[in-house]
Amino acid sequence: GQQLNQSPQSMFIQEGEDVSMNCTSSSIFNTWLWYKQDPGEGPVLLIALYKAGELTSNGRLTAQFGITRKDSFLNISASIPSDVGIYFCAGQRYGQNFVFGPGTRLSVLP
Amino acid sequence: ETGVTQSPTHLIKTRGQQVTLRCSSQSGHNTVSWYQQALGQGPQFIFQYYREEENGRGNFPPRFSGLQFPNYSSELNVNALELDDSALYLCASSWDTDQPQHFGDGTRLSIL
Repeated sequence: GQQLNQSPQSMFIQEGEDVSMNCTSSSIFNTWLWYKQDPGEGPVLLIALYKAGELTSNGRLTAQFGITRKDSFLNISASIPSDVGIYFCAGQRYGQNFVFGPGTRLSVLP
Repeated sequence: ETGVTQSPTHLIKTRGQQVTLRCSSQSGHNTVSWYQQALGQGPQFIFQYYREEENGRGNFPPRFSGLQFPNYSSELNVNALELDDSALYLCASSWDTDQPQHFGDGTRLSIL
């Protein structure tokens, strides 16, 4: 079946630093989604991407739909303590269900 | 606030029992998907319902079954519970099958 890989698996950063993470697949996807999950809660949608090369921002978050359509990237600028959590990517091919990556765990040091 | 609510929030069962988990989607969301999330992993797709019909199923045995109702509520039923069924069960709804999904906070199921 389709699988997504996320890198890095986990990261510790200092407050105020920028963060970059990515999601890759061996398959082409038509939609990429990025979610954040806090402990004890369900994933919350951050950004949705629908077109190769598309760059979309949501506050300090920016995500890109890779031009090969096999990857996507998420950047967080000037990280703050509430950015702590697990970030999941999800991809969908036409007519198929969403597939989720294993997540990137972000920890922010004050 | 996603408008998706799940009940109960926590549940403890023993092996061999049966369980029903419930989800209430946003009004107008015709699609509901159920996921199993083990500790430290991403959500794994169980199945999806669109307008009360099953519309795709992941690699889960038949003892996992579901229903979707006209009032935008849905159920996940699991028979003959096994220890490995211990996980967070998430439901997610969307306007259509190719639209971004919005999650509830899940039901934490523990099997003893």
